[in-house]
Amino acid sequence: AQKVTQAQTEISVVEKEDVTLDCVYETRDTTYYLFWYKQPPSGELVFLIRRNSFDEQNEISGRYSWNFQKSTSSFNFTITASQVVDSAVYFCALSEAKDTDKLIFGTGTRLQVFP
Amino acid sequence: EAQVTQNPRYLITVTGKKLTVTCSQNMNHEYMSWYRQDPGLGLRQIYYSMNVEVTDKGDVPEGYKVSRKEKRNFPLILESPSPNQTSLYFCASSTGMAKNIQYFGAGTRLSVL
Repeated sequence: AQKVTQAQTEISVVEKEDVTLDCVYETRDTTYYLFWYKQPPSGELVFLIRRNSFDEQNEISGRYSWNFQKSTSSFNFTITASQVVDSAVYFCALSEAKDTDKLIFGTGTRLQVFP
Repeated sequence: EAQVTQNPRYLITVTGKKLTVTCSQNMNHEYMSWYRQDPGLGLRQIYYSMNVEVTDKGDVPEGYKVSRKEKRNFPLILESPSPNQTSLYFCASSTGMAKNIQYFGAGTRLSVL
């Protein structure tokens, strides 16, 4: 069965610290897609990144980086030199090629960055 | 600007009073979906639609109805709301394939008293 686990419910850091948000997924499909979304205090869901199951290259976008490891079924998200504006709930999600109907979300990790 | 628009953003109602949350997208997407977000549970899919007049249940459809008469609109209907439907609701749209990014509306916070 498909499942996404975000074991960290809440993380607090001080500005400029690096922080990693963990995401572990389960799927039997060989073709799947992984996503990260950000939910700032205003409540909307903002797309951050998509990776497909055939592309294990890590990705960096500014202070954000993502580490995709199929061997451990993980898709972790690191924020370098965190800022107060990074405070949000972050969701990891999975969609499978054989089941295009849904996005399976983890329970989210609340990140609080203190000045 | 490409967007998914939900209305209202906030709604307080009483048990049993029918309500509709509207959702509209301007990206000509075939696929639309409704999710609810609850603390500790993440987002769970309520209903989805692959195209006009094609709808199907998600993981938590009980107590909800939807319709898709036009491609751009996908309203969520609560015929007889109950307090356990107090939640944050999101509408989403995409081109319909698993790889495609789902774009979300700003959310509707519903309280049923």
